[in-house]
Amino acid sequence: EIVVTQSPGTLSLSPGERATLSCRASQSVTSNYLAWYQQKPGQPPRLLIYAASSRATGTPDRFSGSGSGTDFALTISRLEPEDFAVYYCQQYGSSSSITFGQGTRLEIK
Amino acid sequence: EVQLVESGGGLVQPGRSLRLSCAASGFRFDDYAMHWVRQAPGKGLEWVLGINWNGDTIASADSVKGRFTISRDNAKNALYLEMNGLRAEDTAVYYCAKDGPALRFSGCVDVWGQGTTVTVSS
Repeated sequence: EIVVTQSPGTLSLSPGERATLSCRASQSVTSNYLAWYQQKPGQPPRLLIYAASSRATGTPDRFSGSGSGTDFALTISRLEPEDFAVYYCQQYGSSSSITFGQGTRLEIK
Repeated sequence: EVQLVESGGGLVQPGRSLRLSCAASGFRFDDYAMHWVRQAPGKGLEWVLGINWNGDTIASADSVKGRFTISRDNAKNALYLEMNGLRAEDTAVYYCAKDGPALRFSGCVDVWGQGTTVTVSS
């Protein structure tokens, strides 16, 4: 099983700042099949990024994904108040073992 | 509008069984793989099981292997999760989830239901 580790656990920033969230896999992710999801309290997750760097329908262009192999990142270029939430990365390169990271909480400083 | 609506959650005693259902609408159900993903209280997301568009490919997390079964009825646009031998650690919100690309089993979820809560306790 591929273990996915996110850092930091919590990120405290102010609106307007740039946020960079990291995601590291224990093995290389096949075809860079790495997704990012946003979850707000009491809501299901929402897909933001798939295949490491492709924005899902409706994802604002201030969100960008990058990386390959075992190291990936989600960058939010300029934080809006609605961006403060929990973010999860997920590897789906192995269909028999799909795994999520433990999440990064992005909170208002 | 694409919609997934889960039902069947509730309070169940350890060792007992429960069946969850998911009603899908707004898309061609039989073109897409489907998944169950769960989230324990205050915890992160855990993928549980997935099934391809016609039901002949199923993948399962080790934590539920041999206890949980996923199935689908394409004629009814429905997805099911049969849970046997329930344990306290199975307590979670269970989400029904739609795979992204048509006619593939990817694991990348582009539509989520609102979830149904399962509580395993005596």
